[in-house]
Amino acid sequence: DAGVIQSPRHEVTEMGQEVTLRCKPISGHNSLFWYRQTMMRGLELLIYFNNNVPIDDSGMPEDRFSAKMPNASFSTLKIQPSEPRDSAVYFCASSYAGLNTGELFFGEGSRLTVL
Amino acid sequence: TQLLEQSPQFLSIQEGENLTVYCNSSSVFSSLQWYRQEPGEGPVLLVTVVTGGEVKKLKRLTFQFGDARKDSSLHITAAQPGDTGLYLCAGAQSPVIPVRFGAGTRLTVKP
Repeated sequence: DAGVIQSPRHEVTEMGQEVTLRCKPISGHNSLFWYRQTMMRGLELLIYFNNNVPIDDSGMPEDRFSAKMPNASFSTLKIQPSEPRDSAVYFCASSYAGLNTGELFFGEGSRLTVL
Repeated sequence: TQLLEQSPQFLSIQEGENLTVYCNSSSVFSSLQWYRQEPGEGPVLLVTVVTGGEVKKLKRLTFQFGDARKDSSLHITAAQPGDTGLYLCAGAQSPVIPVRFGAGTRLTVKP
């Protein structure tokens, strides 16, 4: 079975450019999460969706960040304009919220470098 | 401030040694997970514990959930180089509140 699929795996861009990260969750999962990982701050929850609806976006750092989930099989995380401090690995994860254990299945991540 | 505090942050040991890493919080969790992450990959779930006092074993790894469901430990017996990685604990406070992660313990096992 396919796991969580993220693209691109690597992106290098210049400050001020728009960045769009993409995620395809595991089929049948109804919750989707975006995390950001840096050495300094670890794995931070940015936003999560349940049944395609954003539930909690309190972790989104600023208005420059936005996320959408137009359907059950696709989500995007957009940064506009990007800044060097946004450089990090961005992970998408999915789970089935019917379980009461919160188990997450992660993609391989998108490594973003903003110059 | 991390909701979940992990210790130690870094651990470097020789092959064959035993080790324990800890995950502590002042919050109660409905479940707690341990993940391992290798370079260039996403975290992969090792185990989930849901009952206070629960002990689970996965080959040479032993996981324990505290009686009050606020803390957990991971013990590795006879560590091997393949155990090298970042070990993350993560807690869920309810089925509708998402998992939050500790900062992790970075383990290196030298041959």
